[in-house]
Amino acid sequence: EAGVAQSPRYKIIEKRQSVAFWCNPISGHATLYWYQQILGQGPKLLIQFQNNGVVDDSQLPKDRFSAERLKGVDSTLKIQPAKLEDSAVYLCASSLIRTGQETQYFGPGTRLLVL
Amino acid sequence: GNSVTQMEGPVTLSEEAFLTINCTYTATGYPSLFWYVQYPGEGLQLLLKATKADDKGSNKGFEATYRKETTSFHLEKGSVQVSDSAVYFCALRGNNDMRFGAGTRLTVKP
Repeated sequence: EAGVAQSPRYKIIEKRQSVAFWCNPISGHATLYWYQQILGQGPKLLIQFQNNGVVDDSQLPKDRFSAERLKGVDSTLKIQPAKLEDSAVYLCASSLIRTGQETQYFGPGTRLLVL
Repeated sequence: GNSVTQMEGPVTLSEEAFLTINCTYTATGYPSLFWYVQYPGEGLQLLLKATKADDKGSNKGFEATYRKETTSFHLEKGSVQVSDSAVYFCALRGNNDMRFGAGTRLTVKP
């Protein structure tokens, strides 16, 4: 079974530029999560989708971050404009369903450096 | 709000030593608790979980018991191996929330 795919793996941009990350979850997984992991910290949940609907985005900085999952499969996370403090690894995860006990399967992450 | 506090690292042990990584949590309601592990060069993966008080999660020789009275979910292993070297994250899932601890890096030396 293929795992969660993410691209690109690495991205370097200058502040005030925009950037987009792509995630393809495990086939059949209805729930998709985006996390931000700053160096030395644990992952922080930004947004979670159930199929193509947003379940929770309370920790997403909506003035600069946006995410979509149009057909309930792939998802993109965008930052516009980027700030220095956005330098982090962006992780995508998926789970079969959302029960509160579900196992989440993580992708390899996209490492973003904002200069 | 919900939060997870775990033991700061790094932790360095000799092979076959006993491992404990402490994890305590603050939560409303009845959260599920998890330990995720990240091996060098790999993504996060679930190690074990417990979904209600007094449940014990176990996998690969690791164990953790959901203690509601002490709000803890400490990770233990009786005899660590070099291959257990990784970063370990304690996590809590409550309602729509998912909170991770900062991670504890474990290095096991032969």
